[in-house]
Amino acid sequence: AAGVIQSPRHLIKEKRETATLKCYPIPRHDTVYWYQQGPGQDPQFLISFYEKMQSDKGSIPDRFSAQQFSDYHSELNMSSLELGDSALYFCASSSPLRPGNEQFFGPGTRLTVL
Amino acid sequence: DAKTTQPPSMDCAEGRAANLPCNHSTISGNEYVYWYRQIHSQGPQYIIHGLKNNETNEMASLIITEDRKSSTLILPHATLRDTAVYYCIVRVKRSNDYKLSFGAGTTVTVRA
Repeated sequence: AAGVIQSPRHLIKEKRETATLKCYPIPRHDTVYWYQQGPGQDPQFLISFYEKMQSDKGSIPDRFSAQQFSDYHSELNMSSLELGDSALYFCASSSPLRPGNEQFFGPGTRLTVL
Repeated sequence: DAKTTQPPSMDCAEGRAANLPCNHSTISGNEYVYWYRQIHSQGPQYIIHGLKNNETNEMASLIITEDRKSSTLILPHATLRDTAVYYCIVRVKRSNDYKLSFGAGTTVTVRA
């Protein structure tokens, strides 16, 4: 079965650079979520989109922005990168057609800021 | 969302059942109990969810007490691949969107 695809899987950036993470949800899933997981931490919700509109916002820095496109893929844009942005970034998707409305997670993008 | 409390860690012997408790004493009537797990550095994986009846699927069973203030996830025959952090999350099951709030889960180590 198709899963959530994230690219790139690994990314190394310098401080103050920008990064763009991409997420391709499972086909026919209309909701996308972004989570950040720092070293030794639990995943923390950043932002979500439902039908291409932002639906919820968590502890996402102002330096980050995201959007969901007409084909439902999503991109997380990160500017003025800081050392503390080094983390695993997970994307998840869900569909209201599933009785549990459970979220399916991608493999993550490991961002390292030097 | 209601807060949950889980033991920080537990060990389990391979082939035996693993019983993971979760307390959610402030759960509301419209909140479901969800379980996810995260194998080291992989994306979290949905396991099971329930409202008030016990539930079973191919991965696990979920037992919810009658007052709904606590639940137990049961892995019937634990394998080494079940070693992971298990998260108990209480949330409303909205039709279009709802974020997951991961708290401190239980690190389960399955030993041969």
